[in-house]
Amino acid sequence: NAGVTQTPKFRILKIGQSMTLQCTQDMNHNYMYWYRQDPGMGLKLIYYSVGAGITDKGEVPNGYNVSRSTTEDFPLRLELAAPSQTSVYFCASRPAFSSYEQYFGPGTRLTVT
Amino acid sequence: GENVEQHPSTLSVQEGDSAVIKCTYSDSASNYFPWYKQELGKRPQLIIDIRSNVGEKKDQRIAVTLNKTAKHFSLHITETQPEDSAVYFCAASISSGGSYIPTFGRGTSLIVHP
Repeated sequence: NAGVTQTPKFRILKIGQSMTLQCTQDMNHNYMYWYRQDPGMGLKLIYYSVGAGITDKGEVPNGYNVSRSTTEDFPLRLELAAPSQTSVYFCASRPAFSSYEQYFGPGTRLTVT
Repeated sequence: GENVEQHPSTLSVQEGDSAVIKCTYSDSASNYFPWYKQELGKRPQLIIDIRSNVGEKKDQRIAVTLNKTAKHFSLHITETQPEDSAVYFCAASISSGGSYIPTFGRGTSLIVHP
């Protein structure tokens, strides 16, 4: 199993540009999450999904959108990039009932200039 | 919502010493408390967790203690080694059925000097 994979690893965006951060898991996990990690600030939840077709906002959803058309994929969309979105983004997944352990992807480092 | 405070933000110890990281939480209904380790440039990984019906849990050199009355829990690492150097995050959550939305602390950077 590859686990949780994310692409790209790094990206530089200009203000106002758009992009999609990809996240895929091959563990058949129902739950998926998107976090952003700013220096000294821990992990902040952006969006999460409890299964295909179901998404919900986390603590810091403004400026982002998500979709969950399949169990495996949970892309994060930035429509109009702003410098405040410069961060490291982590996707995570977990199984529905057997464990609360979250499995994280390797992260995407995004810079908006 | 839940609020998790984590201290200290940086902890520097000599190899072989013990290290203790403390977290407090605000919601008395929280019942699951994981700890994650994140090495530089890597993804967070679960190292130990504890549920509210247990006061202490150990796994080799690491242990976690929970005081529900005071709403705080701590990570203890004994006989620290240079490879323990990393950022450690605590989290707290109300876990019911399949639902699980953790709130994370800000992290503690542990530096173990050889």
